[in-house]
Amino acid sequence: KQEVTQIPAALSVPEGENLVLNCSFTDSAIYNLQWFRQDPGKGLTSLLLIQSSQREQTSGRLNASLDKSSGRSTLYIAASQPGDSATYLCAVQGGADGLTFGKGTHLIIQP
Amino acid sequence: DAGVIQSPRHEVTEMGQEVTLRCKPISGHNSLFWYRQTMMRGLELLIYFNNNVPIDDSGMPEDRFSAKMPNASFSTLKIQPSEPRDSAVYFCASSPPGAYHKNIQYFGAGTRLSVL
Repeated sequence: KQEVTQIPAALSVPEGENLVLNCSFTDSAIYNLQWFRQDPGKGLTSLLLIQSSQREQTSGRLNASLDKSSGRSTLYIAASQPGDSATYLCAVQGGADGLTFGKGTHLIIQP
Repeated sequence: DAGVIQSPRHEVTEMGQEVTLRCKPISGHNSLFWYRQTMMRGLELLIYFNNNVPIDDSGMPEDRFSAKMPNASFSTLKIQPSEPRDSAVYFCASSPPGAYHKNIQYFGAGTRLSVL
């Protein structure tokens, strides 16, 4: 059974810092990996989707990498801002089914 | 497009009552997913449909849970009878037709269920 782990569980950093969130998964037979953002009381917003054949994806200040063979992904956030404060979830898709999620990293950016 | 629409946003009920959660997927999407989020277990897939047909319901916790998708624009998740341990946020998501590995899932805002 696929398991997804996210480290750290919580992170608090001053505004302007670059930071890295980590995600690992146990079964490398995945179709894709997605990073989501969840704001309190809200649904999930997809940030980046990396297909299994890809190594990374970029969107603005966000860059996600995927090393499928080692079962790892990182989300890099450049020049963090208070508006980046949220919970970041990593999820993998292992076939024609739903996503398996990690428990998330709760991120606080201090002004 | 209005996105995935879930109702109600909040539901408070007493143990033993029937609860029905509703979801309207994005028009044109043919896959629909129900997830449950709790502090202890995080986000878990309950069931998903493809072209209105249930494909995998192995995540449904007990027979008290049932889901239907009578047409492409509507799905329900029913809990009967409800129990306090069912308290959670229930999310619905949909994705468009096409290759699975390319499809982003679009999530609704969720229904926060409290069973007293």
